[in-house]
Amino acid sequence: QVQLQESGPGLVKPSETLSLTCAVSGFSIDKGFYWGWIRQPPGKGLEWMGGIHGSGNAHYNPSLKSRLTMSVDTSQNQFSLRLNSVTAADTAVYFCARVPHTEDTSGLFLYHMDVWGQGTTVTVSS
Amino acid sequence: QSALTQPASVSGSPGQSITISCTGTSRDIGTSNLVSWYQQHPAMAPRLVISEVYKRPSGISNRFSGSKSGNTASLTISGLQAEDEADYYCCSFANGYILPFGGGTRLTVL
Repeated sequence: QVQLQESGPGLVKPSETLSLTCAVSGFSIDKGFYWGWIRQPPGKGLEWMGGIHGSGNAHYNPSLKSRLTMSVDTSQNQFSLRLNSVTAADTAVYFCARVPHTEDTSGLFLYHMDVWGQGTTVTVSS
Repeated sequence: QSALTQPASVSGSPGQSITISCTGTSRDIGTSNLVSWYQQHPAMAPRLVISEVYKRPSGISNRFSGSKSGNTASLTISGLQAEDEADYYCCSFANGYILPFGGGTRLTVL
């Protein structure tokens, strides 16, 4: 049974860097999937932040690309997110998820999020 | 502003059917069969209920069905039950290797 679990500080100061980790169990992170981050501000909808392959190849939402870095640690079977220069607008519940995909001569195709973590709340405040 | 447009709310009585629409563009829904729908109960993580326009993941009731026409995808829930009351989000693979969501639809079972 595949399980994902987010972890990280619940409180980050404005202008600092938000760092989160998603630990994967029951499935090897380098077995050919993308791994994504999705966030949800209080009372609002879902926002796709970006995804990273087990090989380390990442694709980011253009609205966050200048501040966002994702990485993979296959030895720990986990992947991570770093979002710098945070503001109150980055206050949200952050979810990680598994993303099936295909990639061929036509390009990369991200399918959907089939397994989700329970989410972790991050508040940006001084 | 969300990339995909959904109605803010829909409602129906137990046993009835409802349909939630999701309108995009030729850069996403119009040229992609990678449309998915998610159910989210309060304070819970989203759950995949429809993938690739119409496919139901294992464990999802056959009361849930999906379709697409042009730039608009739809989720239909038949035989409404109290447990279906939740927020529903559509999502579609789009140019640039991103997965934009709709703004979400609150389903109320009367």
